[in-house]
This record gives sequence, structure tokens and C-alpha cells, in this order.
Amino acid sequence: AQKITQTQPGMFVQEKEAVTLDCTYDTSDQSYGLFWYKQPSSGEMIFLIYQGSYDEQNATEGRYSLNFQKARKSANLVISASQLGDSAMYFCAMRDRNKLVFGAGTILRVKS
Amino acid sequence: DVKVTQSSRYLVKRTGEKVFLECVQDMDHENMFWYRQDPGLGLRLIYFSYDVKMKEKGDIPEGYSVSREKKERFSLILESASTNQTSMYLCASRLQGSFNTEAFFGQGTRLTVV
Repeated sequence: AQKITQTQPGMFVQEKEAVTLDCTYDTSDQSYGLFWYKQPSSGEMIFLIYQGSYDEQNATEGRYSLNFQKARKSANLVISASQLGDSAMYFCAMRDRNKLVFGAGTILRVKS
Repeated sequence: DVKVTQSSRYLVKRTGEKVFLECVQDMDHENMFWYRQDPGLGLRLIYFSYDVKMKEKGDIPEGYSVSREKKERFSLILESASTNQTSMYLCASRLQGSFNTEAFFGQGTRLTVV
């Protein structure tokens, strides 16, 4: 079965600096997909970025990029130029057939 | 704009009550999910449905059942609510067969069982 591990329960970052949120995964599949979601205090889940296992380049979406290291089975989220509005819970997830398996999440706090 | 709507944001129920959590999506998605979110545990899958009247157990189905009579609606049922079912419940939907599309989530229902 797929498994996602997020080892950082909480992180702090100074406004305007970059931050990396860690995600490692375990799968025996050759073809898989990885997702990152943001959950602000309001509770909604916001999709941020996707990386496919066969994608040759790391995914990027605006200030979000994914540091994908297939051999290490890691898919870390990098947020550049942090903003106060980035304070939220962040979840890494993996596609397992038609469902998503989630990690425990990392709470990010951006300091002014 | 795509929408997944959960019937309640906050719910307080008594131990032993039968509780219904409703979820509706307007995207014609085949797949629908119910997750439970608890601090330090992330989102855990309770049940999912891949078509009308079809369902499959997730990782923590005990104490829950589901119903999907129409494609757009997926209901989570707590047959006899217990205090350990106090949690945030998230409904999601996703296009079946598409490799890289994300799941869309509702706003969540925070259930308290007293």
C-alpha cells in the first residue's frame, strides 16, 4: 500500500524567505502521482501542485515548486518568497488507484 | 467554478444518535470520498464510491456507512454516534480514470459528539 510521510509537524519561516516542506513516499508502483494541498484555518483544501512519476522536469506553479527526487522517493514542496497568507497546514498526497493517500501534514507559520 | 458542498459546517450530536453528513458535487465526477481529519493523523479515508450504488471501504470504515443513490450525492452515516467520532469530516470528488487530476474538496464538517 502507498504511504506518505511528512516528518515536520510544524515550521516557521520569515516573510519573504523560501521554505521547504518535506515529503517522502513509499510505493512499489512504477507509475504514480504526487499532490500538494494547502489548508488554511478556514478548513478548505486548496490544490497547489502535481508531479507525475514520469515527468522529466520538476513541477512549478507560481511561487510553488516541487523538488522531486525519484531515487530517494521524496517530493518536497518549495515555497519561494513566503507571504503571511502562506500560513496554513500543508498536506502531501499520493494517488493510489482512484483515491488519494495523505500524509499527516505540516503546519507552516510565516513570521513578519 | 467547480463545487463540492457539504450540508453543514458545524454539527453537535449526542452519543447514540444516527448522524447523516451530506455531500453534493456539480462536476459529474464518478469518484467521491469521505475523509476524516484528526490532528497529527492527516486525512484518513473512511469510504469511497466509484459509481452510483458502488462503494469501497477505506482505511477506517468501522462505525460508518455510506450511501450513493445519485451520482452527485454521497452521504456518510454514523449509525450510532460515539465521542471518538468527534472530528473534521471532508468530502471530495475526483474524475475517474484521469491520472493527474486533483480531488476537489468540500469545506468540511466539524462534528462534535457529546
